Amino acid sequence: EAQVTQNPRYLITVTGKKLTVTCSQNMNHEYMSWYRQDPGLGLRQIYYSMNVEVTDKGDVPEGYKVSRKEKRNFPLILESPSPNQTSLYFCASSLSSAGVGTDTQYFGPGTRLTVL
Amino acid sequence: AQKITQTQPGMFVQEKEAVTLDCTYDTSDPSYGLFWYKQPSSGEMIFLIYQGSYDQQNATEGRYSLNFQKARKSANLVISASQLGDSAMYFCAMRGINTDKLIFGTGTRLQVFP
Repeated sequence: EAQVTQNPRYLITVTGKKLTVTCSQNMNHEYMSWYRQDPGLGLRQIYYSMNVEVTDKGDVPEGYKVSRKEKRNFPLILESPSPNQTSLYFCASSLSSAGVGTDTQYFGPGTRLTVL
Repeated sequence: AQKITQTQPGMFVQEKEAVTLDCTYDTSDPSYGLFWYKQPSSGEMIFLIYQGSYDQQNATEGRYSLNFQKARKSANLVISASQLGDSAMYFCAMRGINTDKLIFGTGTRLQVFP
């Protein structure tokens, strides 16, 4: 089944404790992206990747890191989480990096993170 | 700057009735795509429908159709014959040919009542 998976789905942690949220897609997609969703703000892009070893900042990158060593995986790293990073996080992927066409982004199930 | 505006924070509709969720957009890209996603209470983001800026016809997917009015920069979602399971948040989104991300609106919460 074609899908984007994220782990963990739920995480409660404390301020300053490094964590990684994994994201994997099995559709051979070039483009991958991380979003956070906060009430009243919709979804905002954190980082994105056009292909292996190519990453760039989105709208709200502060406090986050990413890497793209393999095409299928795009982990999100919080080196020193803070309470303002409490949010619902989504990983998404789409077939190609260029153009629009029917280049739909498919989303993972989400990771609900709470930082105490 | 690119922007998506959804002016309806919440909508109510009776089962089996049709409902229109509004979406307006702003972009300077010559080519772009418009998307609608559904987010039920379980949290996942489900792709519903896509409209390309150069598509001549309005997109349809089952009970979903997109009323695309390019001159007005609007891309409203029409759900026909609403079902209780349609109760969810609905997000309009856009991606321009010169941008590398989806821009989302703030969403509309739809409640379908019997």
